[in-house]
Amino acid sequence: DTAVSQTPKYLVTQMGNDKSIKCEQNLGHDTMYWYKQDSKKFLKIMFSYNNKELIINETVPNRFSPKSPDKAHLNLHINSLELGDSAVYFCASSQGDRGTKTQYFGPGTRLLVL
Amino acid sequence: GDSVTQMEGPVTLSEEAFLTINCTYTATGYPSLFWYVQYPGEGLQLLLKATKADDKGSNKGFEATYRKETTSFHLEKGSVQVSDSAVYFCALILISSGSARQLTFGSGTQLTVLP
Repeated sequence: DTAVSQTPKYLVTQMGNDKSIKCEQNLGHDTMYWYKQDSKKFLKIMFSYNNKELIINETVPNRFSPKSPDKAHLNLHINSLELGDSAVYFCASSQGDRGTKTQYFGPGTRLLVL
Repeated sequence: GDSVTQMEGPVTLSEEAFLTINCTYTATGYPSLFWYVQYPGEGLQLLLKATKADDKGSNKGFEATYRKETTSFHLEKGSVQVSDSAVYFCALILISSGSARQLTFGSGTQLTVLP
């Protein structure tokens, strides 16, 4: 009965590879997010989708491409991985993209690029 | 732009000590304010929130009061436990009828409570 789940939990890969991280929420929310947490624990928004439509796209290299097949899923595909992509990636969801709607976070995907 | 500033960590306390983690914000509108907690190896969990000035959020013995005059949302707990050891994030989101807004996080404060 996990609310926001991510797969995989850990991902170790070589530089230059392409990888995907999947996120699913069973809360019935219509808005989903991807955040990146660096080695110093600093969290920054990357993308947000509302009803499968991209609404936030921060300054992120275009090697990162989010895909939302439906409201319950938001996947993150990363092309040509670089060492600097090593981080923890968190998915989150909320009902609505405005106001004070609480965002619920997944457990994170720890990506290590070698 | 909008920003959140938290006190530098790490913070190390003995069990039953009083905790304060300072948080101040800069925002162009009227934000809602949040504290999230991240336990080791886990994702973020909402700890408490406040949506307007003078509101007090509270949960699990933690409290924070939205102070518009000082643009602050300091986190306090009267008696910490070892199980409170975690990273604490202050965050804001703007209430706006304009474009969608995302959570803006502070840098996080690592708290370690010793038995």
